[in-house]
Amino acid sequence: DTGVSQDPRHKITKRGQNVTFRCDPISEHNRLYWYRQTLGQGPEFLTYFQNEAQLEKSRLLSDRFSAERPKGSFSTLEIQRTEQGDSAMYLCASSVEPQGARGYTFGSGTRLTVV
Amino acid sequence: KNEVEQSPQNLTAQEGEFITINCSYSVGISALHWLQQHPGGGIVSLFMLSSGKKKHGRLIATINIQEKHSSLHITASHPRDSAVYICAVKNSGGYQKVTFGTGTKLQVIP
Repeated sequence: DTGVSQDPRHKITKRGQNVTFRCDPISEHNRLYWYRQTLGQGPEFLTYFQNEAQLEKSRLLSDRFSAERPKGSFSTLEIQRTEQGDSAMYLCASSVEPQGARGYTFGSGTRLTVV
Repeated sequence: KNEVEQSPQNLTAQEGEFITINCSYSVGISALHWLQQHPGGGIVSLFMLSSGKKKHGRLIATINIQEKHSSLHITASHPRDSAVYICAVKNSGGYQKVTFGTGTKLQVIP
């Protein structure tokens, strides 16, 4: 397993369109996290899954955002009716609980630009 | 006030210098992470700490739970260490939210 994969790497979309991102975690990792990062800021927590169960959602995750992890493996993050303020890097991370010495493994992110 | 504060925000060092990046937090935590983010966005987890000190190569991370403070040290800095270093805390309690600092941008000049 080569790590956490995110697809696509870049996405440009018109305002109002729906977009979906995919994250494939490390196969034995039972926890999966989504974060959003804007320029010059640290990542902000969006949501996380323990296996297929979504255990917490940030208030940052408006009704336009939905995340799933249907079989406890890959996860999707969908943004409906995108707005320019949604432009950011969307990062996925995974971990196994209890965590090893390094903690999380991050994907390379999906950079979303809403025009 | 952010729950996680890092200092300095920007740091320029000469190759070979000893570097310290500080992180202070205001919430109860179960663990603290130091992360490295290179241009282009890739994030690498360097350390996860819940007490004491950890060392990996030229990197040393310490944490003082009572003072709610952690430091990341880089010995014999090298230009390839240039990156953004992010402190993140895993909140204690019934959920596992992770709160990130805004990062320290380090540039090591040859």
